[in-house]
Amino acid sequence: QKEVEQDPGPLSVPEGAIVSLNCTYSNSAFQYFMWYRQYSRKGPELLMYTYSSGNKEDGRFTAQVDKSSKYISLFIRDSQPSDSATYLCAMSPIQGAQKLVFGQGTRLTINP
Amino acid sequence: DTAVSQTPKYLVTQMGNDKSIKCEQNLGHDTMYWYKQDSKKFLKIMFSYNNKELIINETVPNRFSPKSPDKAHLNLHINSLELGDSAVYFCASSQRLAGGELFFGEGSRLTVL
Repeated sequence: QKEVEQDPGPLSVPEGAIVSLNCTYSNSAFQYFMWYRQYSRKGPELLMYTYSSGNKEDGRFTAQVDKSSKYISLFIRDSQPSDSATYLCAMSPIQGAQKLVFGQGTRLTINP
Repeated sequence: DTAVSQTPKYLVTQMGNDKSIKCEQNLGHDTMYWYKQDSKKFLKIMFSYNNKELIINETVPNRFSPKSPDKAHLNLHINSLELGDSAVYFCASSQRLAGGELFFGEGSRLTVL
């Protein structure tokens, strides 16, 4: 079993829809949780960062962490065609990138 | 001005050849990384340098040799290329080893024929 599982998709939704992206993990030591967005032929860029359990909201994006279920989610409200990208979850037991583990990424397309 | 830039963006070469990828960051960060993203999009760390010192060296064949001439540059040299080395290689940097956002370059797409 991989440490971090993420459905690779692809996921295709109409513009304006609410999108839910998820990752599950097996390592209970993970404390730091991130979502990266990667446009085609580009490098990943940090979208959301959460420490431990709880919710974090930034504009149309909400990140949720449920450590008891070892499950994290990213919600995108009022999705736009410009949100079309691959979304990678990432998590680590410590601050910094030394032990950062990435999910496979979910490819998302928002159709106008 | 690009924060993390790597060259070349595309590299097509024959098995057995040696190639290098260069990376430069102008963010003043202390820590730089090489990641490999395979065809299934799995992103895995290969090496990490902090102030020119090698910190992380994951299980990577010794055909891969990183070099950091100064803290703004991190190069990757690959000897005797194999088909399985085909991937996108990303350079990244962070302000410090124990934290700070990762900034990625645009990637170098290596195809070994």
